[in-house]
Amino acid sequence: KQEVTQIPAALSVPEGENLVLNCSFTDSAIYNLQWFRQDPGKGLTSLLLIQSSQREQTSGRLNASLDKSSGRSTLYIAASQPGDSATYLCAAGYSTLTFGKGTMLLVSP
Amino acid sequence: GAVVSQHPSRVICKSGTSVKIECRSLDFQATTMFWYRQFPKKSLMLMATSNEGSKATYEQGVEKDKFLINHASLTLSTLTVTSAHPEDSSFYICSARDPRRETQYFGPGTRLLVL
Repeated sequence: KQEVTQIPAALSVPEGENLVLNCSFTDSAIYNLQWFRQDPGKGLTSLLLIQSSQREQTSGRLNASLDKSSGRSTLYIAASQPGDSATYLCAAGYSTLTFGKGTMLLVSP
Repeated sequence: GAVVSQHPSRVICKSGTSVKIECRSLDFQATTMFWYRQFPKKSLMLMATSNEGSKATYEQGVEKDKFLINHASLTLSTLTVTSAHPEDSSFYICSARDPRRETQYFGPGTRLLVL
């Protein structure tokens, strides 16, 4: 059974810092890995999707990497802004997705 | 981009009533949809996989008679919480798999409060 772990559970940084969120998964037989953002009381916003054959994806200030062999993915956020404050979830799987518990990010002005 | 809608976005009901939540894929046909549940400050837990034209596949521990899933068309799946109780209060999120991209697109969620 796939298990997804996210570290850290919470992170507080001042505006402008670059930061890295970590995601690990136990079963490397995944079809893809997705990173999502969730604001309080809201649904999911898809940020980046990495297919199993890819090693990274970039969108604006976000960069996600995938290392299937080690069961790890990282989400890099450059020049963080207060508007980046949210919970970030990663999900991995093949026919179904398994979610991590998320990293709650707070970027202070 | 692909859009998945959910209706209603929020519902408050009395204990013992049944609540139906709709999930629609708006610009692609989804043979497979998924229903998730999220408790406060917790991650999403897959409840069931909904396959068009066949019975849903439920995850371990999810009562299929409690959470009725119907996937009658390629663009609509419904989740009915039967005889709802306060412990069913939660955030329910659906997703639909776009077969063209093998990607799941998520709905905005439905917040259920059972009094």
